[in-house]
Amino acid sequence: DSGVTQTPKHLITATGQRVTLRCSPRSGDLSVYWYQQSLDQGLQFLIQYYNGEERAKGNILERFSAQQFPDLHSELNLSSLELGDSALYFCASSTRDRGRSGNTIYFGEGSWLTVV
Amino acid sequence: QQQVKQSPQSLIVQKGGISIINCAYENTAFDYFPWYQQFPGKGPALLIAIRPDVSEKKEGRFTISFNKSAKQFSLHIMDSQPGDSATYFCAAHHREGAQKLVFGQGTRLTINP
Repeated sequence: DSGVTQTPKHLITATGQRVTLRCSPRSGDLSVYWYQQSLDQGLQFLIQYYNGEERAKGNILERFSAQQFPDLHSELNLSSLELGDSALYFCASSTRDRGRSGNTIYFGEGSWLTVV
Repeated sequence: QQQVKQSPQSLIVQKGGISIINCAYENTAFDYFPWYQQFPGKGPALLIAIRPDVSEKKEGRFTISFNKSAKQFSLHIMDSQPGDSATYFCAAHHREGAQKLVFGQGTRLTINP
């Protein structure tokens, strides 16, 4: 158990809909990362927050947004969903912000999103 | 663009054999190279990691070999066991870039009993 909690574990929704994925980082971790894992794209970095502020943005679509709240939990909002958005979405957390050696990133078990 | 290239995509090894997974990178701004292990239905978990100033790191049956000049690194699993069957991802940590952890495409390892 990594200590990173994600909900829901599974979600099925229709095209055009909007969903919210929730993540609670490990106790004490200030950085939260969101990754998308699909069969053909592997693990793709979406976005990172550190102590409530956006720190880095990767291959995140404009239809997607995220935020980190004062209690450090984070939400990933996916809107106008398309079939191609079906994937496993991982949240991860780490203690520090910068990518220094030893700043281990711990992953949750993911949220399976199926768009039908 | 794929900044970390991993091979092979899948690998089958007999129990007791050596599993070898290779990765290559281009960006010299990477300064930390972890390997993650992922079991079905689980998130990736850190297995072992190495810094570029070290040529080899060993933890139990797992060894990373790092060749800085060739920009290549590999994971060796000695005495491979059926419980090692999983997907393995190499990754590279960017010193300053937006993509904090860049992953390879993954290798599905199967250890036959």
